[in-house]
Amino acid sequence: SQTIHQWPATLVQPVGSPLSLECTVEGTSNPNLYWYRQAAGRGLQLLFYSVGIGQISSEVPQNLSASRPQDRQFILSSKKLLLSDSGFYLCAWSRLGGSTGELFFGEGSRLTVL
Amino acid sequence: SQQGEEDPQALSIQEGENATMNCSYKTSINNLQWYRQNSGRGLVHLILIRSNEREKHSGRLRVTLDTSKKSSSLLITASRAADTASYFCATDGYGGSQGNLIFGKGTKLSVKP
Repeated sequence: SQTIHQWPATLVQPVGSPLSLECTVEGTSNPNLYWYRQAAGRGLQLLFYSVGIGQISSEVPQNLSASRPQDRQFILSSKKLLLSDSGFYLCAWSRLGGSTGELFFGEGSRLTVL
Repeated sequence: SQQGEEDPQALSIQEGENATMNCSYKTSINNLQWYRQNSGRGLVHLILIRSNEREKHSGRLRVTLDTSKKSSSLLITASRAADTASYFCATDGYGGSQGNLIFGKGTKLSVKP
């Protein structure tokens, strides 16, 4: 069976510090990978998606970047965090190809920037 | 911009009652999905309805889709306290080729025992 792991679960960081959130998927190959951000009381905003190693598409201009160094690993990074980067970050995967199907989400990483 | 918009934003009912949540969207879709999120957790997929389907059932869940009105509804019958969560609709607003879903802001459902 497929599983998705996301860490750390919670993170408190000062403004200007770097960020690295990691996500790995097990039990499947060539998944589509996604990073979403959820602000308090709001829906999910798609930040990045990837259809393969080294292939990253960004949905919104921002202070964050993403990388996919391995097939089932997706990393969200920032060199210098802003207060506005606070939020709940969710990694997700879906099966490659075909029409849009089900997304499988990790448990999320709550980031607080002080 | 937001593709799906859920209504109401919050819903409070008693255990045993039915809960109905609505979703409206703006562009043509291949399918529409509903997800559930317990507080502070990740989202869990509930049900997917394709654009050529009008109604779908899964256990106590019933989803309808009206593509002419660009709207969908999620009905939870005989609600339980454990159904307390936020519910989101999601559509493939880009035509589905990239597998990108656009989520609404969600309906927060509270089921009181």
